[in-house]
Amino acid sequence: AQKVTQAQTEISVVEKEDVTLDCVYETRDTTYYLFWYKQPPSGELVFLIRRNSFDEQNEISGRYSWNFQKSTSSFNFTITASQVVDSAVYFCALSEATRGYQKVTFGTGTKLQVIP
Amino acid sequence: EAGVAQSPRYKIIEKRQSVAFWCNPISGHATLYWYQQILGQGPKLLIQFQNNGVVDDSQLPKDRFSAERLKGVDSTLKIQPAKLEDSAVYLCASSLRVWGAGGTDTQYFGPGTRLTVL
Repeated sequence: AQKVTQAQTEISVVEKEDVTLDCVYETRDTTYYLFWYKQPPSGELVFLIRRNSFDEQNEISGRYSWNFQKSTSSFNFTITASQVVDSAVYFCALSEATRGYQKVTFGTGTKLQVIP
Repeated sequence: EAGVAQSPRYKIIEKRQSVAFWCNPISGHATLYWYQQILGQGPKLLIQFQNNGVVDDSQLPKDRFSAERLKGVDSTLKIQPAKLEDSAVYLCASSLRVWGAGGTDTQYFGPGTRLTVL
Protein backbone atom coordinates (compact mmCIF):
# COMPACT_ATOMS: atom_id res chain seq x y z
CA ALA A 1 0.00 0.00 0.00
CA GLN A 2 1.17 3.51 -0.71
CA LYS A 3 1.92 5.91 2.12
CA VAL A 4 3.18 9.47 2.44
CA THR A 5 4.72 10.75 5.66
CA GLN A 6 5.24 14.40 6.49
CA ALA A 7 6.74 14.23 9.92
CA GLN A 8 6.82 17.99 10.47
CA THR A 9 3.40 19.09 11.64
CA GLU A 10 4.19 22.79 12.03
CA ILE A 11 7.23 24.93 11.27
CA SER A 12 7.79 28.58 12.12
CA VAL A 13 10.52 30.63 10.52
CA VAL A 14 11.41 34.28 10.42
CA GLU A 15 11.04 36.00 7.09
CA LYS A 16 14.03 35.58 4.76
CA GLU A 17 15.13 32.34 6.39
CA ASP A 18 15.36 29.18 4.30
CA VAL A 19 13.10 26.27 5.23
CA THR A 20 12.91 22.64 4.11
CA LEU A 21 9.74 20.57 4.24
CA ASP A 22 10.29 16.83 4.41
CA CYS A 23 8.34 14.14 2.58
CA VAL A 24 8.97 10.40 2.77
CA TYR A 25 6.93 7.96 0.73
CA GLU A 26 6.34 4.23 0.45
CA THR A 27 5.30 2.38 -2.66
CA ARG A 28 5.79 -1.02 -4.25
CA ASP A 29 5.46 0.35 -7.75
CA THR A 30 8.45 1.18 -9.92
CA THR A 31 6.47 3.84 -11.79
CA TYR A 32 4.97 6.54 -9.65
CA TYR A 33 4.62 10.30 -9.42
CA LEU A 34 5.16 12.75 -6.62
CA PHE A 35 3.47 16.09 -6.12
CA TRP A 36 3.62 19.10 -3.86
CA TYR A 37 0.55 21.25 -3.25
CA LYS A 38 0.14 24.48 -1.29
CA GLN A 39 -3.04 25.18 0.69
CA PRO A 40 -3.26 28.83 1.77
CA PRO A 41 -5.81 29.96 4.37
CA SER A 42 -8.37 30.38 1.59
CA GLY A 43 -8.48 26.59 1.37
CA GLU A 44 -7.83 25.88 -2.29
CA LEU A 45 -5.07 23.39 -3.04
CA VAL A 46 -2.57 24.91 -5.47
CA PHE A 47 -0.38 22.64 -7.58
CA LEU A 48 3.34 23.35 -7.25
CA ILE A 49 5.26 20.51 -8.88
CA ARG A 50 5.04 16.98 -10.27
CA ARG A 51 7.95 14.54 -10.70
CA ASN A 52 8.01 11.01 -12.04
CA SER A 53 9.99 8.15 -10.54
CA PHE A 54 12.43 8.03 -13.43
CA ASP A 55 13.53 11.63 -13.13
CA GLU A 56 15.71 12.28 -10.11
CA GLN A 57 16.97 15.64 -11.26
CA ASN A 58 16.49 18.35 -8.72
CA GLU A 59 14.33 21.24 -9.82
CA ILE A 60 14.43 24.92 -9.04
CA SER A 61 11.64 27.39 -9.68
CA GLY A 62 12.38 30.83 -8.33
CA ARG A 63 12.66 30.55 -4.56
CA TYR A 64 11.37 26.98 -4.61
CA SER A 65 13.50 23.88 -5.07
CA TRP A 66 12.84 20.18 -4.80
CA ASN A 67 15.22 17.34 -3.96
CA PHE A 68 14.09 13.88 -5.08
CA GLN A 69 16.10 10.92 -3.80
CA LYS A 70 14.84 7.43 -4.63
CA SER A 71 17.50 5.84 -2.42
CA THR A 72 15.86 7.34 0.66
CA SER A 73 12.30 7.55 -0.77
CA SER A 74 12.24 11.26 -0.11
CA PHE A 75 10.98 14.27 -2.01
CA ASN A 76 11.86 17.33 0.02
CA PHE A 77 10.84 20.91 -0.69
CA THR A 78 12.96 23.95 0.12
CA ILE A 79 11.83 27.56 0.16
CA THR A 80 14.71 30.02 -0.01
CA ALA A 81 14.39 33.47 1.55
CA SER A 82 10.89 32.75 2.86
CA GLN A 83 8.19 35.41 2.68
CA VAL A 84 5.01 35.94 4.65
CA VAL A 85 2.99 34.91 1.57
CA ASP A 86 4.56 31.47 1.85
CA SER A 87 2.54 30.86 5.03
CA ALA A 88 0.28 27.92 4.23
CA VAL A 89 -0.12 24.20 4.66
CA TYR A 90 1.99 22.20 2.23
CA PHE A 91 1.01 18.70 1.13
CA CYS A 92 3.14 16.05 -0.48
CA ALA A 93 1.27 13.43 -2.54
CA LEU A 94 2.06 10.14 -4.25
CA SER A 95 0.34 8.80 -7.34
CA GLU A 96 0.40 5.27 -8.59
CA ALA A 97 -1.24 4.35 -11.88
CA THR A 98 -0.90 0.62 -12.23
CA ARG A 99 -4.56 -0.20 -11.79
CA GLY A 100 -5.74 1.47 -14.98
CA TYR A 101 -6.29 4.75 -13.19
CA GLN A 102 -4.24 6.93 -10.92
CA LYS A 103 -4.57 6.58 -7.18
CA VAL A 104 -3.32 9.56 -5.20
CA THR A 105 -2.43 9.51 -1.53
CA PHE A 106 -1.74 12.73 0.36
CA GLY A 107 0.41 13.25 3.42
CA THR A 108 -0.97 14.94 6.51
CA GLY A 109 0.59 18.26 5.59
CA THR A 110 3.11 20.66 7.12
CA LYS A 111 1.87 24.01 8.33
CA LEU A 112 4.42 26.71 7.61
CA GLN A 113 4.24 30.03 9.38
CA VAL A 114 6.55 32.78 8.20
CA ILE A 115 6.89 35.50 10.79
CA PRO A 116 7.60 39.04 9.59
CA GLU B 1 -9.21 29.40 -18.28
CA ALA B 2 -11.82 28.95 -15.57
CA GLY B 3 -10.89 26.71 -12.66
CA VAL B 4 -12.87 24.07 -10.84
CA ALA B 5 -16.08 25.54 -9.45
CA GLN B 6 -17.83 24.31 -6.33
CA SER B 7 -20.96 25.32 -4.47
CA PRO B 8 -21.95 26.07 -1.87
CA ARG B 9 -18.80 27.32 -0.17
CA TYR B 10 -20.22 26.80 3.31
CA LYS B 11 -23.02 24.68 4.70
CA ILE B 12 -24.28 24.14 8.24
CA ILE B 13 -26.79 21.37 8.91
CA GLU B 14 -28.14 19.35 11.79
CA LYS B 15 -27.17 15.71 12.12
CA ARG B 16 -29.45 13.32 10.25
CA GLN B 17 -30.24 15.98 7.66
CA SER B 18 -29.28 15.64 4.01
CA VAL B 19 -26.88 17.81 2.04
CA ALA B 20 -25.62 18.00 -1.54
CA PHE B 21 -22.52 19.55 -3.05
CA TRP B 22 -21.99 20.51 -6.67
CA CYS B 23 -18.82 20.57 -8.75
CA ASN B 24 -18.10 21.84 -12.23
CA PRO B 25 -14.66 20.72 -13.44
CA ILE B 26 -12.32 22.51 -15.78
CA SER B 27 -13.72 22.35 -19.29
CA GLY B 28 -12.56 19.26 -21.15
CA HIS B 29 -11.24 17.45 -18.10
CA ALA B 30 -12.17 13.79 -18.28
CA THR B 31 -11.44 12.76 -14.69
CA LEU B 32 -13.17 14.13 -11.61
CA TYR B 33 -12.39 13.46 -7.96
CA TRP B 34 -14.15 14.11 -4.66
CA TYR B 35 -12.01 14.35 -1.54
CA GLN B 36 -12.87 14.73 2.12
CA GLN B 37 -10.47 16.82 4.19
CA ILE B 38 -10.97 16.70 7.93
CA LEU B 39 -9.37 19.54 9.88
CA GLY B 40 -5.65 18.93 10.37
CA GLN B 41 -5.50 16.06 7.90
CA GLY B 42 -4.66 15.57 4.26
CA PRO B 43 -7.36 15.08 1.63
CA LYS B 44 -8.80 11.59 1.45
CA LEU B 45 -10.22 10.36 -1.85
CA LEU B 46 -13.91 9.47 -1.70
CA ILE B 47 -14.67 8.75 -5.33
CA GLN B 48 -13.06 9.09 -8.74
CA PHE B 49 -14.88 9.29 -12.08
CA GLN B 50 -13.41 8.82 -15.51
CA ASN B 51 -15.88 10.54 -17.81
CA ASN B 52 -19.17 9.43 -16.24
CA GLY B 53 -17.99 6.06 -14.93
CA VAL B 54 -16.76 5.32 -11.41
CA VAL B 55 -13.22 3.89 -11.25
CA ASP B 56 -12.61 4.06 -7.50
CA ASP B 57 -15.12 4.45 -4.68
CA SER B 58 -13.40 2.16 -2.20
CA GLN B 59 -13.34 4.81 0.56
CA LEU B 60 -16.84 6.15 0.01
CA PRO B 61 -19.22 5.32 2.92
CA LYS B 62 -21.87 4.00 0.61
CA ASP B 63 -24.52 3.66 3.29
CA ARG B 64 -24.78 7.45 3.49
CA PHE B 65 -22.73 8.98 0.66
CA SER B 66 -23.59 8.93 -3.02
CA ALA B 67 -22.18 10.70 -6.05
CA GLU B 68 -22.99 11.00 -9.70
CA ARG B 69 -21.49 12.64 -12.71
CA LEU B 70 -24.08 13.31 -15.33
CA LYS B 71 -22.98 13.42 -18.97
CA GLY B 72 -19.34 13.27 -17.87
CA VAL B 73 -19.24 16.92 -16.81
CA ASP B 74 -20.78 18.26 -13.57
CA SER B 75 -20.93 16.14 -10.47
CA THR B 76 -22.91 16.09 -7.23
CA LEU B 77 -21.96 14.50 -3.93
CA LYS B 78 -24.73 13.79 -1.45
CA ILE B 79 -24.74 12.82 2.21
CA GLN B 80 -27.92 11.33 3.64
CA PRO B 81 -28.19 11.27 6.63
CA ALA B 82 -25.28 13.35 7.88
CA LYS B 83 -23.32 12.49 11.01
CA LEU B 84 -21.21 14.70 13.23
CA GLU B 85 -18.03 13.09 11.89
CA ASP B 86 -18.90 14.25 8.37
CA SER B 87 -17.86 17.78 9.33
CA ALA B 88 -15.04 18.51 6.90
CA VAL B 89 -14.09 20.35 3.74
CA TYR B 90 -15.22 18.55 0.59
CA LEU B 91 -12.85 19.18 -2.28
CA CYS B 92 -13.51 18.55 -5.92
CA ALA B 93 -10.63 18.17 -8.37
CA SER B 94 -10.31 17.42 -12.04
CA SER B 95 -7.58 16.27 -14.39
CA LEU B 96 -7.36 16.37 -18.13
CA ARG B 97 -6.94 12.86 -19.36
CA VAL B 98 -7.99 9.30 -18.76
CA TRP B 99 -4.85 7.32 -18.02
CA GLY B 100 -4.13 3.68 -18.40
CA ALA B 101 -1.54 1.80 -16.45
CA GLY B 102 1.69 3.70 -15.92
CA GLY B 103 0.33 7.17 -16.44
CA THR B 104 -0.73 10.01 -14.23
CA ASP B 105 -2.05 13.50 -14.51
CA THR B 106 -2.03 16.65 -12.42
CA GLN B 107 -5.16 17.35 -10.40
CA TYR B 108 -6.54 20.87 -10.15
CA PHE B 109 -8.67 21.63 -7.12
CA GLY B 110 -11.69 23.78 -6.47
CA PRO B 111 -12.12 26.02 -3.41
CA GLY B 112 -14.00 23.35 -1.46
CA THR B 113 -17.23 23.26 0.52
CA ARG B 114 -16.89 23.53 4.28
CA LEU B 115 -19.56 21.38 5.94
CA THR B 116 -20.42 21.73 9.60
CA VAL B 117 -22.76 19.13 11.11
CA LEU B 118 -24.29 20.15 14.45
